[in-house]
Amino acid sequence: DQQVKQNSPSLSVQEGRISILNCDYTNSMFDYFLWYKKYPAEGPTFLISISSIKDKNEDGRFTVFLNKSAKHLSLHIVPSQPGDSAVYFCAASWQTGANNLFFGTGTRLTVIP
Amino acid sequence: SAVISQKPSRDICQRGTSLTIQCQVDSQVTMMFWYRQQPGQSLTLIATANQGSEATYESGFVIDKFPISRPNLTFSTLTVSNMSPEDSSIYLCSVGTNYEQYFGPGTRLTVT
Repeated sequence: DQQVKQNSPSLSVQEGRISILNCDYTNSMFDYFLWYKKYPAEGPTFLISISSIKDKNEDGRFTVFLNKSAKHLSLHIVPSQPGDSAVYFCAASWQTGANNLFFGTGTRLTVIP
Repeated sequence: SAVISQKPSRDICQRGTSLTIQCQVDSQVTMMFWYRQQPGQSLTLIATANQGSEATYESGFVIDKFPISRPNLTFSTLTVSNMSPEDSSIYLCSVGTNYEQYFGPGTRLTVT
């Protein structure tokens, strides 16, 4: 049973435009959410996180939005750059912090120059 | 952040054999984890590697199949025992802080 879902396996965006990656979860006990980026032959790299007490967290070009009532979060990348092309995973935890993460299946983002 | 290395980076093994994967961290950490990513799937937590005690396994994973050692705060091993083609996956170790987990580069295992 997949508790964290990324329903779009792939996304293509023009350079300079906004990339929006979506993630849904089913377990209402989750209270901490993270986004990771993964290049081929490398491990996932932490990008940004958000606690359930917030609905937005911003770090440079990356912003994560959390809608608890809808059990939905999204990652916005503005402006998108070709180097952002990678697979993006969202992850959730029911412990405050990052232990025992449940991952989505990933979305492959391609930024077209 | 932490710098994490894994050995081997990849291997091709015959069914019925075992492979031990090593994970080395450049600093002492309390929390270490082992994940599996099967082809086309998400990352799934296998177990939490506890220093000085037995690992804590997630549902669906057992110690006989995936024995784990954690002799100190910078090193852990995961053994994939009696391998079958279904064990072909990327195996990743990670270390946890209060707010993030940092991942190693992974070990790509192919079982023939």
